[in-house]
Amino acid sequence: EAEVAQSPRYKITEKSQAVAFWCDPISGHATLYWYRQILGQGPELLVQFQDESVVDDSQLPKDRFSAERLKGVDSTLKIQPAELGDSAMYLCASSPGLAGVAKNIQYFGAGTRLSVL
Amino acid sequence: GENVEQHPSTLSVQEGDSAVIKCTYSDSASNYFPWYKQELGKRPQLIIDIRSNVGEKKDQRIAVTLNKTAKHFSLHITETQPEDSAVYFCAASIRYGGATNKLIFGTGTLLAVQP
Repeated sequence: EAEVAQSPRYKITEKSQAVAFWCDPISGHATLYWYRQILGQGPELLVQFQDESVVDDSQLPKDRFSAERLKGVDSTLKIQPAELGDSAMYLCASSPGLAGVAKNIQYFGAGTRLSVL
Repeated sequence: GENVEQHPSTLSVQEGDSAVIKCTYSDSASNYFPWYKQELGKRPQLIIDIRSNVGEKKDQRIAVTLNKTAKHFSLHITETQPEDSAVYFCAASIRYGGATNKLIFGTGTLLAVQP
């Protein structure tokens, strides 16, 4: 069964350093999402791509976060500089992006757990 | 803004009993309601979903009901087993900007099934 791949699984960094996370969606999925999940809370959408275009980044702290999906396939989320409050699980998800029910089903990766010291 | 409230935050049941988790949503235009199960250290996995034109959906021991008038939906697990222990998240899909939609997640329910 195809899965969303994310790396690294864990990342420890010091504040003010730069970090980057990578996501490879399920093959053929047009829509890609980055979520932040703080311990004890539900995932919060940071950015959504449709192919290579950003369709929603309203919750992305743009002064320090950036995301790209240059060829409309895999994606990178970057934080620079990292702050203590950025410690969380960063989840990537993808969906087919087709009309109908399948359009809405999101498949999640295992996430990257970030600890900022 | 749009939000989804989920209750209870923790739920402990005896093996074999039923468990019910409830969610309410704020956007009356929401049309899709998935439920995800997240085991410790693992990815959220879709376990059941329902669209707004359906009032109830069942898949073996799990079922979801939707009341559009009251804007709430519930997850029902019958004959619970220890392997059902996990965090369960509800979500509501909202549409914006034409064909784009996104999910708003609840805060999660930690279900513990005691053997």
